[in-house]
Amino acid sequence: GENVEQHPSTLSVQEGDSAVIKCTYSDSASNYFPWYKQELGKGPQLIIDIRSNVGEKKDQRIAVTLNKTAKHFSLHITETQPEDSAVYFCAASPNFGNEKLTFGTGTRLTIIP
Amino acid sequence: DGGITQSPKYLFRKEGQNVTLSCEQNLNHDAMYWYRQDPGQGLRLIYYSQIVNDFQKGDIAEGYSVSREKKESFPLTVTSAQKNPTAFYLCASSRANTNTIYFGEGSWLTVV
Repeated sequence: GENVEQHPSTLSVQEGDSAVIKCTYSDSASNYFPWYKQELGKGPQLIIDIRSNVGEKKDQRIAVTLNKTAKHFSLHITETQPEDSAVYFCAASPNFGNEKLTFGTGTRLTIIP
Repeated sequence: DGGITQSPKYLFRKEGQNVTLSCEQNLNHDAMYWYRQDPGQGLRLIYYSQIVNDFQKGDIAEGYSVSREKKESFPLTVTSAQKNPTAFYLCASSRANTNTIYFGEGSWLTVV
């Protein structure tokens, strides 16, 4: 089955700086890669996703890049703000195979004011 | 407001007791899911259902049971056979043939 590794497990950055979280996956059949943000005591919320036919996708201050050859994808958050502090999860699955969605172990991001 | 409602938010259970977690959605989604989240780990799939009256085991189904009698409801029972039930449980749903999964706010279960 799919195995998703996520690094780092914790990350602290100064407010205004950029944060990068990286994930690798093992199954070449995976072609959908979402990122979720989870605030303390709440359910994860989808913040951005990318499919394998696209190398990069941006949405305001967040972007995701995908290198399908190397089987890794990354989340980039620019101009970080205190409200970006949360746990971020990457995941991978084949198209429309939500039951096969495999999550990384999460990154706790702390923004230092 | 449309969304996924999980209840109760916090639940304490004595060892040997079964407990049922409720999940209701008014998004008209066909598929529903139950995940378990432990500290320092990713989400792990317990059960899923793609249509009413049908459900499938996920990666960690042992000690759990579900039912899907209505499209909007997918309750999870944590049985006494579950050896380590203390965890954060997340219910989710999605439209058919789409990848976007929406999560509820979660339920904390503690065995005392």
